[in-house]
Amino acid sequence: EVQLVESGGGLVKPGGSLRLSCAASGFTFGGYNMNWVRQAPGKGLEFVSSISSSSSDIYYADSVKGRFTISRDNAKSTLFLQMNSLRVEDTAVYYCARERYTGYDYWGQGTLVTVS
Amino acid sequence: QSVLTQPPSVSAAPGQKVTISCSGSSSNIGNNYISWYQQLPGTAPKLLIYENNKRPSGIPDRFSGSKSGTSATLGITGLQTGDEADYYCGTWDNSLSAVFGGGTKLTVL
Repeated sequence: EVQLVESGGGLVKPGGSLRLSCAASGFTFGGYNMNWVRQAPGKGLEFVSSISSSSSDIYYADSVKGRFTISRDNAKSTLFLQMNSLRVEDTAVYYCARERYTGYDYWGQGTLVTVS
Repeated sequence: QSVLTQPPSVSAAPGQKVTISCSGSSSNIGNNYISWYQQLPGTAPKLLIYENNKRPSGIPDRFSGSKSGTSATLGITGLQTGDEADYYCGTWDNSLSAVFGGGTKLTVL
């Protein structure tokens, strides 16, 4: 069974940092591109960042470019998101999602990041 | 402001059919496959439709998708109260970032 479990969210002050993790199981993690997608309270889905299976290709939303860094450890089947210089508008539930079929076929349960 | 445009809400009675539209441009929907996601209250999104009109294993054929030019449509037939959720369309744009619609809240009256 495919599972994606995010952790690392919490309350942080503006300007602070957090590191999110997404532990994957039930599939060959190193064979898939992975993404972070966020959802602000009561709002829609917003792409944050993507990383290819080998980490050779990385993309960021303009809203987080220069502040967030995506990475992965295929040996440990874990995806990361280092978030620096956090802003109030970064408050959201952050989901990790597996990229497949030109979309996202599995999502984690999400981890809440509150910047206040 | 979302890149893709969806109606904020739709509603229909149990057993009826509903469609949800998603409008974009040549830089996103026009040149890429579209996916649809269902988000039940308090849960993570779930893939309903991929590559415009394909259903993952386990998704009933009451759900269908289509695409024409820079627009796409999700159809749901035989509506059930359990279908009440937010529905999102998603695709990729020329910057190789994913883009989503603002979401459509489905109410089954």
